Amino acid sequence: NAGVTQTPKFRVLKTGQSMTLLCAQDMNHEYMYWYRQDPGMGLRLIHYSVGEGTTAKGEVPDGYNVSRLKKQNFLLGLESAAPSQTSVYFCASSSLIAGASTDTQYFGPGTRLTVL
Amino acid sequence: GIQVEQSPPDLILQEGANSTLRCNFSDSVNNLQWFHQNPWGQLINLFYIPSGTKQNGRLSATTVATERYSLLYISSSQTTDSGVYFCAVGRYNNNDMRFGAGTRLTVKP
Repeated sequence: NAGVTQTPKFRVLKTGQSMTLLCAQDMNHEYMYWYRQDPGMGLRLIHYSVGEGTTAKGEVPDGYNVSRLKKQNFLLGLESAAPSQTSVYFCASSSLIAGASTDTQYFGPGTRLTVL
Repeated sequence: GIQVEQSPPDLILQEGANSTLRCNFSDSVNNLQWFHQNPWGQLINLFYIPSGTKQNGRLSATTVATERYSLLYISSSQTTDSGVYFCAVGRYNNNDMRFGAGTRLTVKP
């Protein structure tokens, strides 16, 4: 049981390049989330998914797209990277209990992205 | 959105000391969680506590929802407690959570 894994762990991009971050969870969780963490700040929610085939915008969605084609995977895409997207990206997942999503979130180890 | 303020921003303790971390929030919430981020960046959920009191070993948390604050208590601190402690709140659920800026705790041997 690996929990939540993220690929890659580190990446350096040039402005304008594109990339996809992969998040995978093996806990059969319904909910998945992508956050970014900037220096000295807490996490901010980018996008989330409440189930396979569904996605929704979080607090800071601009410049990012997501897809949830399989229940266990949640992909975060940057179509045209900008220096402002330099950050550490965390994926998380949580289960669905009794119709509420207020369950413990399990986090991946993070992806450190630098955009030059 | 909901504003979240954590205090103190930094805290340095000697091993064995006790500490209290505070989280103030600006609106009613149905979701409040405390997280620990270790020095290697890994985030661990400590408590889901929108109201009331919970304890887990040397850690305990209390949320007074009517007064819009939560406290995290760490007793007999250990060097492994070092890291950043985040409070996160949401009006409804995990989908609208807002994180505070965190309290950086350093426990010295």
